[in-house]
Amino acid sequence: SAVISQKPSRDICQRGTSLTIQCQVDSQVTMMFWYRQQPGQSLTLIATANQGSEATYESGFVIDKFPISRPNLTFSTLTVSNMSPEDSSIYLCSVELGLHRSGEQYFGPGTRLTVT
Amino acid sequence: GQQVMQIPQYQHVQEGEDFTTYCNSSTTLSNIQWYKQRPGGHPVFLIQLVKSGEVKKQKRLTFQFGEAKKNSSLHITATQTTDVGTYFCASNAGGTSYGKLTFGQGTILTVHP
Repeated sequence: SAVISQKPSRDICQRGTSLTIQCQVDSQVTMMFWYRQQPGQSLTLIATANQGSEATYESGFVIDKFPISRPNLTFSTLTVSNMSPEDSSIYLCSVELGLHRSGEQYFGPGTRLTVT
Repeated sequence: GQQVMQIPQYQHVQEGEDFTTYCNSSTTLSNIQWYKQRPGGHPVFLIQLVKSGEVKKQKRLTFQFGEAKKNSSLHITATQTTDVGTYFCASNAGGTSYGKLTFGQGTILTVHP
């Protein structure tokens, strides 16, 4: 497994502002992902963070709203831009470990965002 | 993309009773994964099933993948209060979409002592 940390763990933000969430892994990983989990709901994939190239976004998510950086194999950031109360959610990063693409993912502790 | 439907949404059991959650898809799945999320926590990987008809056990947990690879189940024998949480199935699309997990809605398990 890997040790995955996220910063901040939680934040309360005003609408119209932006928040950048950091995800740090203690080992080099190829695949990093960003998910959103709204209160009491399941997880929805926002995008795949690709090292050295632009992130790949899922349907319903766009780069202008959720810009992602992946400067190296151990770190990624997700920015939630121009926030509204509908963005209140838990944001989780995850990594896929293993040289043989086993598929299992390990999640960070999450960032609980409240937009007022 | 792949969609997985999970039932039931909630399950309340007395400690010692068994518990089962089901995951179904209208399309053939390349694999199925199961995760557990404790209240206030993050999803934790439990297991992955790949083969048709596969059955795997982890202590009191039994995982099955259907013969047609369109459904899966997680069964917990003699639940304990430590089993409380939300259980998610997830499927990993193959090919160029490998790694992109689609999660079921989750089953919230409450265990009454």
